[in-house]
Amino acid sequence: NAGVTQTPKFRILKIGQSMTLQCAQDMNHNYMYWYRQDPGMGLKLIYYSVGAGITDKGEVPNGYNVSRSTTEDFPLRLELAAPSQTSVYFCASSYDREEYFGEGSWLTVV
Amino acid sequence: RKEVEQDPGPFNVPEGATVAFNCTYSNSASQSFFWYRQDCRKEPKLLMSVYSSGNEDGRFTAQLNRASQYISLLIRDSKLSDSATYLCVVNNAGNTGKLIFGQGTTLQVKP
Repeated sequence: NAGVTQTPKFRILKIGQSMTLQCAQDMNHNYMYWYRQDPGMGLKLIYYSVGAGITDKGEVPNGYNVSRSTTEDFPLRLELAAPSQTSVYFCASSYDREEYFGEGSWLTVV
Repeated sequence: RKEVEQDPGPFNVPEGATVAFNCTYSNSASQSFFWYRQDCRKEPKLLMSVYSSGNEDGRFTAQLNRASQYISLLIRDSKLSDSATYLCVVNNAGNTGKLIFGQGTTLQVKP
């Protein structure tokens, strides 16, 4: 009964480093999303995908990249990490209108 | 203007109180509406969908006013366990996803 699984849960990066946040879902959902949530704020959409091989930008895509080679996986790549990317990142998937979220990845860039 | 606006609170209420949260959205073409609940340092989870006719789930009642572009959530007989942040969420793109989240309203229920 895994649902949406994100790794890692916590990570500290140095400025300029790169990393990939992993997201996998086992519900065969076509739609997948990456959000970031800054303290006291709502979720902002970074990238989304409507199916394998298809991705599109959300509200705040700068500094990030994604790929969707399979239905199950939707990794988020941070290139040249900056302090402004310190945030909590949530991956989500959906079949109809309800979105199911992973437990989040806490990222700090120092 | 933000697409979805909520009063961030916090709302501090005693156990047993009735509390109401409001939310406005800017896109008159919005199609679907939801309330999500988010506990501290946890992921958001769907609380309930909001239908045009209004809907109730136990102590929770959601209402939609399309003319005023306004959504509400009423919680009756508040419990300590209701303490959380409540996110107003709007879908502008039909069933293809892309939910728009409000910043959330924080509720703290005190004994």
